[in-house]
Amino acid sequence: KNEVEQSPQNLTAQEGEFITINCSYSVGISALHWLQQHPGGGIVSLFMLSSGKKKHGRLIATINIQEKHSSLHITASHPRDSAVYICAVRSGGTSGSRLTFGEGTQLTVNP
Amino acid sequence: DAGVTQSPTHLIKTRGQQVTLRCSPKSGHDTVSWYQQALGQGPQFIFQYYEEEERQRGNFPDRFSGHQFPNYSSELNVNALLLGDSALYLCASSLVDRYNSPLHFGNGTRLTVT
Repeated sequence: KNEVEQSPQNLTAQEGEFITINCSYSVGISALHWLQQHPGGGIVSLFMLSSGKKKHGRLIATINIQEKHSSLHITASHPRDSAVYICAVRSGGTSGSRLTFGEGTQLTVNP
Repeated sequence: DAGVTQSPTHLIKTRGQQVTLRCSPKSGHDTVSWYQQALGQGPQFIFQYYEEEERQRGNFPDRFSGHQFPNYSSELNVNALLLGDSALYLCASSLVDRYNSPLHFGNGTRLTVT
């Protein structure tokens, strides 16, 4: 079992739909990141969370530390949101930290 | 302000050869991490460099080695290339152990081993 599990693996939505991507992890973490990866490979950091909830435009990310679970929500989805969304957890102490990634969720938003 | 830059963008090598990939961190960042991303999978942590030393290492063989220079730039070297080393290699930079430090990734180097 992977230390970071994402669901669903693939998601197809119609423009305007509300989208939720889930991430569960099994290790102790110092932070959780939501990342967006477009075809071609470049990765953009969307959020970094250690507790609670963050919002940026149409994107909302939440984390429940006790349940070791995070969700990424996209409101009023748009075809330009089509990308792979990756959850990554940061763990490790003062000797160095590392990221462990989920497998990613391929989102396709159709017009 | 330049972000993380990686070179080359694409590379084709033959089995058994050696390859060197390069990364320049975002200005002001002192820590560089390398990741391997196979097609259709999430990235896997290779190692992290700070103060010119490898601080942490993932589950990769010794064929994978690295270096960090005084200007914080970094190289990833892979010896005796295997077909399975074909992947996107990503570099990310950050400030050391700042848990609130956002991540900055380069666009990656696509390595194909034939």
